[in-house]
Amino acid sequence: KAGVTQTPRYLIKTRGQQVTLSCSPISGHRSVSWYQQTPGQGLQFLFEYFSETQRNKGNFPGRFSGRQFSNSRSEMNVSTLELGDSALYLCASSSKTSGGRDEQFFGPGTRLTVL
Amino acid sequence: AQSVTQPDIHITVSEGASLELRCNYSYGATPYLFWYVQSPGQGLQLLLKYFSGDTLVQGIKGFEAEFKRSQSSFNLRKPSVHWSDAAEYFCAVVPSGGYQKVTFGTGTKLQVIP
Repeated sequence: KAGVTQTPRYLIKTRGQQVTLSCSPISGHRSVSWYQQTPGQGLQFLFEYFSETQRNKGNFPGRFSGRQFSNSRSEMNVSTLELGDSALYLCASSSKTSGGRDEQFFGPGTRLTVL
Repeated sequence: AQSVTQPDIHITVSEGASLELRCNYSYGATPYLFWYVQSPGQGLQLLLKYFSGDTLVQGIKGFEAEFKRSQSSFNLRKPSVHWSDAAEYFCAVVPSGGYQKVTFGTGTKLQVIP
């Protein structure tokens, strides 16, 4: 079974631009979560989607948005990029809905650099 | 406020020595507890998890963790460290009964010296 894939792996943007990151979960997984990882703030939860619905959201500004498609693939969008958005963005998928007990499988991440 | 603390930012151990990584949490009720490992340039991999029951949990790669309710701790251990264990380790919690809103600790970077 293929793992979680994220594209692109590396991205360089300039301030003010917008960016879209993509995540393909493991086949059969319906939950997709996004995380931001930075040296200063560590790993922070962005949001979680299940069956095309956002089920949970972290404490990020509205510039960060996401969506999930009917095939469970998910995209994350960041508008009006700031230097502080430079980070590794990780996507994770899990199979079920049962209250947080399920193992999350992480992708390798997308390294975003904002200049 | 709910929080997860990993007090050790960086730990160095000799190959073959034992290892203990600390994790403390502050939640109203016992959450679900996880340990993940992240190798350079990689995503996270689950080592083990605790939901309820036996407080000593066995994981992959020879790791184990012990849940201590009285200390609100979930420390990760390995009796004999291998050079390939050098990585960053994250403790994570999810409120029991909640969905996948995971809170991660700040991580402990493990260095293994020959």
